[in-house]
Amino acid sequence: NAGVTQTPKFRVLKTGQSMTLLCAQDMNHEYMYWYRQDPGMGLRLIHYSVGEGTTAKGEVPDGYNVSRLKKQNFLLGLESAAPSQTSVYFCASSLRGRTDTQYFGPGTRLTVL
Amino acid sequence: SQQGEEDPQALSIQEGENATMNCSYKTSINNLQWYRQNSGRGLVHLILIRSNEREKHSGRLRVTLDTSKKSSSLLITASRAADTASYFCATDAGPNFGNEKLTFGTGTRLTIIP
Repeated sequence: NAGVTQTPKFRVLKTGQSMTLLCAQDMNHEYMYWYRQDPGMGLRLIHYSVGEGTTAKGEVPDGYNVSRLKKQNFLLGLESAAPSQTSVYFCASSLRGRTDTQYFGPGTRLTVL
Repeated sequence: SQQGEEDPQALSIQEGENATMNCSYKTSINNLQWYRQNSGRGLVHLILIRSNEREKHSGRLRVTLDTSKKSSSLLITASRAADTASYFCATDAGPNFGNEKLTFGTGTRLTIIP
């Protein structure tokens, strides 16, 4: 049981480049989330999904897109990276949503130059 | 604005002592969760307490919730070096406050001195 995995672990982009972060979970969870963590701030929700084929905006969705084509995968895309998107990105999954435990991946450290 | 705010921001204690950290929040909640984050790692769930509960235990952890004061505390007893981590509270304010949004505080950095 791998739990929640994230790919890649580290990435450096130049301003304007695009990339996709992949999150995968093997717990058959319906709910999946993307957060960003910045120094001095708590985790902030970017987008989430309540099931395969669904996505919804979180607290800070601008500049990001997501897709959930398969139940086990949740992709986070940056179409045109900006330095303000330098952050650590965490994916999480949950069986029953916000009233339940969230299981987190190890994170992706992204630097945008 | 952040729903949960932890206090203190940093705490250093000797191994074997008890560590207490607090979380305050602003609006009514359905439940409150505590998570631990070791340096460079993802968050790990510790305990969830619902709004109709006042106290909950899990091993060396004790969580209290005072909804009248909109605050929670996490007590770690008989601390160990492995407890060195950042601790976050997260609140769920229900469907009227952003659907799936779970709001995290800024965390308490706990250091256990061997």
